[in-house]
Amino acid sequence: DQQVKQNSPSLSVQEGRISILNCDYTNSMFDYFLWYKKYPAEGPTFLISISSIKDKNEDGRFTVFLNKSAKHLSLHIVPSQPGDSAVYFCAAGGSGGSNYKLTFGKGTLLTVNP
Amino acid sequence: DSGVTQTPKHLITATGQRVTLRCSPRSGDLSVYWYQQSLDQGLQFLIQYYNGEERAKGNILERFSAQQFPDLHSELNLSSLELGDSALYFCASTRQLDYGYTFGSGTRLTVV
Repeated sequence: DQQVKQNSPSLSVQEGRISILNCDYTNSMFDYFLWYKKYPAEGPTFLISISSIKDKNEDGRFTVFLNKSAKHLSLHIVPSQPGDSAVYFCAAGGSGGSNYKLTFGKGTLLTVNP
Repeated sequence: DSGVTQTPKHLITATGQRVTLRCSPRSGDLSVYWYQQSLDQGLQFLIQYYNGEERAKGNILERFSAQQFPDLHSELNLSSLELGDSALYFCASTRQLDYGYTFGSGTRLTVV
């Protein structure tokens, strides 16, 4: 039972354009959401997060939008750069307890073409 | 370098064998998480330790066990290995109980 779904395994965009990565979740107990970026042969690195009390969070070129009623979040990258090419994981936490474990999606491979 | 050290980076072993994966958390971090990433899968939570005590368990197989030592490093033991155990195993650490994960670069286990 996948509680966090990233339905697009891959996405290709042109340099300078917007990249939009999507994520859906099913567990209404989730109250904190994060995006991680992963390059080959490296561990995931934190990119941006959002609490369920907000619907938007910005950090430079990266913006995360949260639609709680639809149980959907998205990551916008504007403008996209070739160095953004990586696998992006959506993760959710707060499904109960105080252990701070995260539930991850399968990831979306973003390719930004020069 | 994230500050979280995982060894070895690569491991090839035969079915039925036992291996130990090691994780040294970032200096000052008390909590360690283990995740498994199989082919075309997201990271699956295995187990969490906080200051030496087991805090939470995911869908960890009975053949797998872990512990966190007094110096806060952690080891994940995988026994009676099967082909399906081939995966990337990631360790992450946090300062306290929070979502500020710092991941290591992972151990790639191949069971042949």
